[in-house]
Amino acid sequence: QPVVTQPPSTSGTPGQRVTMSCSGSWSNIGTNRVSWYQHLPGTAPKLLIYSNTERPSGVPDRFSGSKSGTSASLAISGLQSDDEADYFCAVFDDSLNGPLFGGGTKLTVL
Amino acid sequence: EVQLVESGGGWVQPGGSLRLSCVGSGFRFDNYAMHWVRQVPGKGLEWVAGISWTGKSIDYGGFLIGRFTVSRDNAKSSLFLQMNRLTVEDTALYFCVKDSGDSKAASNHFDLWGQGTQVTVSS
Repeated sequence: QPVVTQPPSTSGTPGQRVTMSCSGSWSNIGTNRVSWYQHLPGTAPKLLIYSNTERPSGVPDRFSGSKSGTSASLAISGLQSDDEADYFCAVFDDSLNGPLFGGGTKLTVL
Repeated sequence: EVQLVESGGGWVQPGGSLRLSCVGSGFRFDNYAMHWVRQVPGKGLEWVAGISWTGKSIDYGGFLIGRFTVSRDNAKSSLFLQMNRLTVEDTALYFCVKDSGDSKAASNHFDLWGQGTQVTVSS
């Protein structure tokens, strides 16, 4: 069964730059486009990055995405306290013939 | 306001049924594919089902084995999920999600989510 793996947690201080990873395989990240979402429990998840690197209108340029091989990353620069949330990646998996989600990374702003 | 609002969740005994609903507003509902995604406690997100803009193309996550049925009513900007023979493993927060395209495709992404409706299966 294909999986996409994210570290369960990360942290940073205000103003710092943090990155979080999303690791998969050739049937998903290696072939298809990755998107990233921000989720505050009790609210609707919000699209941050699509097509590996693209930002929807309204998303600050502090958020950026990248992809290399079978891994993708989300970077947040100029960390702010209200960035504290869960972040998850999503990608289409060819063997599943459907979307696959990472387990999410909980970001704590110290 | 552009939003998705789910309803219909609740508590049900194993073997029971529930019907979830989702109403979209602020966008052309009938132009886009729609999905149900669930968040199981202690686990990540899991894609449940997707339906194309016309409703003619439907796909389900491999774990369902025919227990769930997704449908839509474009005239009412509504998405539905009929869930039968529920098990404790179906306990989750169920999200209604808008696709960026008109049908499921590898190049698409999810650009609008609802807040979710909680389904609890327990005896």
